[in-house]
Amino acid sequence: DSGVTQTPKHLITATGQRVTLRCSPRSGDLSVYWYQQSLDQGLQFLIQYYNGEERAKGNILERFSAQQFPDLHSELNLSSLELGDSALYFCASSETPLTGREQYFGPGTRLTVT
Amino acid sequence: DQQVKQNSPSLSVQEGRISILNCDYTNSMFDYFLWYKKYPAEGPTFLISISSIKDKNEDGRFTVFLNKSAKHLSLHIVPSQPGDSAVYFCAASGNNNDMRFGAGTRLTVKP
Repeated sequence: DSGVTQTPKHLITATGQRVTLRCSPRSGDLSVYWYQQSLDQGLQFLIQYYNGEERAKGNILERFSAQQFPDLHSELNLSSLELGDSALYFCASSETPLTGREQYFGPGTRLTVT
Repeated sequence: DQQVKQNSPSLSVQEGRISILNCDYTNSMFDYFLWYKKYPAEGPTFLISISSIKDKNEDGRFTVFLNKSAKHLSLHIVPSQPGDSAVYFCAASGNNNDMRFGAGTRLTVKP
């Protein structure tokens, strides 16, 4: 158990809809990262927040947005969903603001867009 | 663009032998490299890392080697155990806050 929690575990929704994925980092970690893993592909880094501020941005679509709240939990909002957005979405956390250092991953949210 | 490549999608080794997983990168700005292990239905787990100022880092059965001139890193697992069977991802990051992962290599360790 990494100490990172993600909800929900599974989500099934229709094209055009909007969903929110939630992540609680490990106790004490100030950095939160979001990743997308599509079928047979590696992890695509989407975005990093550190202590409430956006720290680094990867391949995040304009239809996607994220935020980190004062209690350090984070939400990833996906809107105008397309079939291609079906994927596993991972959240990770770390102590440091340095992008790309050791991270602790949650179990993921599997999103299915029909 | 694939800045971090793991060219072998799968690898099979016998228990007790050495497993060598390879990773190549193209971006010379990367200065920190990591390996993660992933079991089915779980998130990736950090294994080992190496800074670009080193060429080797060892942690128990796991050793990571970095060849900066070849832009190549490898993970050695000795001896391999059936519990090591998982997907292994290499990752690279740089001071420009960029971070990339490879597509992963599925390791199977046969008893």
